[in-house]
Amino acid sequence: GAVVSQHPSRVICKSGTSVKIECRSLDFQATTMFWYRQFPKQSLMLMATSNEGSKATYEQGVEKDKFLINHASLTLSTLTVTSAHPEDSSFYICSARDPGGLYEQYFGPGTRLTVT
Amino acid sequence: GQNIDQPTEMTATEGAIVQINCTYQTSGFNGLFWYQQHAGEAPTFLSYNVLDGLEEKGRFSSFLSRSKGYSYLLLKELQMKDSASYLCAVRDPNRDDKIIFGKGTRLHILP
Repeated sequence: GAVVSQHPSRVICKSGTSVKIECRSLDFQATTMFWYRQFPKQSLMLMATSNEGSKATYEQGVEKDKFLINHASLTLSTLTVTSAHPEDSSFYICSARDPGGLYEQYFGPGTRLTVT
Repeated sequence: GQNIDQPTEMTATEGAIVQINCTYQTSGFNGLFWYQQHAGEAPTFLSYNVLDGLEEKGRFSSFLSRSKGYSYLLLKELQMKDSASYLCAVRDPNRDDKIIFGKGTRLHILP
């Protein structure tokens, strides 16, 4: 149980374009999903918390107009990186908490974004 | 603020035992996690400790001492596939659903 999928796994885009990443909980309903960013050999940094039916909560220093989050259903959250720049190149990972669990989060397989 | 410390890298031999330590300094405590992350992949949940003591789960065990702000992950009968980063993380004492991750310990297994 507690499977989270993420799509795409890899994406290359040009500077100035936008990229959408999808995160789905496959076998449970997630009212809350989380979006992380990870640079090479660094830890996971929480970017924002996605709440179904309401606005996302962004961490300090994360631009909400650049990283648009939509949580339209109990199984889907999307992250759109708008007007991407090379410094946005990173590993983006989503997670969800199984309501029946012990507060642990289950992670999607991640999306490797490269902006050229 | 919240701070989590763990060694950057460790090396061990196949078949041996290794202990990865983690210390944390937080304004409160609600629980501690260990995750495994292979290179280029997402983290996978290993354990969750909220009370003092040792929790054993197969070849992996996790220990917690709340008074010392200390935890360790013990890996027995090491296998090559255990080569990965091991992330120590704590629940944010100020926000129930948020997890704060340490930088991880990269474990190298030698044959």
